[in-house]
Formats: sequence, structure tokens, C-alpha cells
Amino acid sequence: EVQLVQSGAEVKKPGESLRISCKASGYSFTNYWISWVRQMPGKGLEWMGKVDPADSHASYSPSFQGHVTISADKSINTAYLQWSSLTASDTAMYYCARLRAISGGLGYYYYMDVWGKGTTVTVSS
Amino acid sequence: SYVLTQPPSVSVAPGKTARITCGGNNIGSESVHWYQQKPVQAPVLVVYDDSDRPSGIPERFSGSNSGNTATLTISRVEAGDEADYYCQVWHTGSAHPGVFGGGTKLTVL
Repeated sequence: EVQLVQSGAEVKKPGESLRISCKASGYSFTNYWISWVRQMPGKGLEWMGKVDPADSHASYSPSFQGHVTISADKSINTAYLQWSSLTASDTAMYYCARLRAISGGLGYYYYMDVWGKGTTVTVSS
Repeated sequence: SYVLTQPPSVSVAPGKTARITCGGNNIGSESVHWYQQKPVQAPVLVVYDDSDRPSGIPERFSGSNSGNTATLTISRVEAGDEADYYCQVWHTGSAHPGVFGGGTKLTVL
């Protein structure tokens, strides 16, 4: 069974660092990109960025560039999302999701076919 | 960046048909995907590539896409379909390729 298992809930103080994880199983980890998606309390889904586990190359939404780092370790089939200095506005649920590709007229299009259950991050003084 | 517009809410009686729209500039040329999110749960893919269903998703869920509007149609609506629904496209070539609509709350009356 294809699964993405995310690390547990975190409670942090502003200014602290944090790394959350997403462990893949049931498929070849390096064959599919992994995306991270934020959902702030009571709000919608926001795409943060993606990583190619084959080479750990990441790209980011402009809204998140410079504030988070996305990476992957193919030796343990795990993707990561990390912050060096949290703020209260980082309080949210974070989901990882596997990206599937569809070939289209302008290249490849991607959708998220398997999702982790989410990691709640609470930042409060 | 590319913008997807969804109505905040749609209401439907059990057994009827619900239609949830997703508007975007020339969205008919994009590949549109739909996700269902029930309270305190992760999103679930219900339609991909405009109109295809993943295995395990009932045939009651269908999609279409033309012009400036994509539509998720849920036939014979059940109480268990009450959820938030999000459309998504991958806007190739954009600095922000992964785009979600704002979400639609489906209420079953």
C-alpha cells in the first residue's frame, strides 16, 4: 500500500527552528516528486513547494521562498519541511503529498494522488 | 500568478445533483484536479485530469472543463458527501505552478 506517514504534532516558541518529516512507503520514492501544502486554521489549501527525491532539488512558491526549506533523503525515503526561525503565522496544518504527472500540450501537469495525514504546527509564546 | 475562483458554498438536498465550479482564465486549456476534504481529515483526490476518477471513487463524482470554467458534478448526493472541495491546476511555466482554488463548502440539506 502506498503511504506517506508524517511526523507528530509540534508546539514551538517564536524564533525556534523545526523540521517535520514525511516518510514514504509502498512505491519507489525517487520516481515521484513530493509537495508540501499548508492549511492555516479555518482556511484553504496553499501549495508551498516541491522536491525531487532523486536529487533533492527543490522549488518553492514565491509566497514561501526564503522562509522554509524543503529537502529529501532518498536513503530513508523521507522528505522534510523545515524552518530556521518560526513565527506565530506559521501555525497551521502541513500536508505532504505525492505528485503524479500527466503529459500535456505544454509539458507535464501534476496532481497530488496520495496525501499524508498532516502535521499540526503550533507556534506560541 | 494564475487564479482559480470557486464559490464559497453550495447547498443541495440528498439525492439531487451538486455542481461546484472552478473559474480561471482559459482553464479549458489546463488539466484540472479536484480534492475532497472532510473535517479534520487530509484531502482526498476525487477527480484528476478534468474527468478521470481514481480507483475507489464512486461514479457519482464526475468532472468537466471548457472555456473559463471547470465543474465537479456529484450525482445522487449523500450526507457523506458533505465536505470542502478544492480544484487545482499545475500552471506549467509559472513561478507558482501549484495552484488551488479557494475551496467550496458543500452542505447537504
